[in-house]
Amino acid sequence: DTGVSQDPRHKITKRGQNVTFRCDPISEHNRLYWYRQTLGQGPEFLTYFQNEAQLEKSRLLSDRFSAERPKGSFSTLEIQRTEQGDSAMYLCASSLVPSQNYGYTFGSGTRLTVV
Amino acid sequence: EDKVVQSPLSLVVHEGDTVTLNCSYEVTNFRSLLWYKQEKKAPTFLFMLTSSGIEKKSGRLSSILDKKELFSILNITATQTGDSAVYLCAVEAGSGNTPLVFGKGTRLSVIA
Repeated sequence: DTGVSQDPRHKITKRGQNVTFRCDPISEHNRLYWYRQTLGQGPEFLTYFQNEAQLEKSRLLSDRFSAERPKGSFSTLEIQRTEQGDSAMYLCASSLVPSQNYGYTFGSGTRLTVV
Repeated sequence: EDKVVQSPLSLVVHEGDTVTLNCSYEVTNFRSLLWYKQEKKAPTFLFMLTSSGIEKKSGRLSSILDKKELFSILNITATQTGDSAVYLCAVEAGSGNTPLVFGKGTRLSVIA
């Protein structure tokens, strides 16, 4: 297993279009997290899953955002009717809970630019 | 609301200098504090700290936690240009089921 992978790496879209990102976590990890990072800021929590159940959503996640993890493996994050303010790096991370060792591993992110 | 504050926000040093990065936090039910290094893409894990006063060390990097004063420091000695990155501090709090809360990061630039 090569770690957490995200696709695509970069996405440029016109305002108003819908976009979907994919995250493939480390296979034995049961937790999957989505974070958003804008320039000069640390990652901000969006939502997370334990297996296929979505356990928490940040108030940052407006109605235009939806995330799924249908079989408890990969996850998708969809943004509908994109706005320029959605331009950011979207980071996915996974972990195994409980675990004796720390296991929060990030993917390389999807950089979204809304023009 | 849980809060993590890092300082300074940016720092420029010369190769060979020693730097200290700061992280203070206000959270409910602290569990652990983590340091990450972020170059261009994914944050990579450096340290996890749960107990006060116990230094964690990896090569030229070291970190320590003060749970009474609610802060941590990350030290880098004999800095190299490869240390240039954003250093992120994050706190795990609550029951253990809550995601990490990150600070804004410190952007370190090491010049030759």
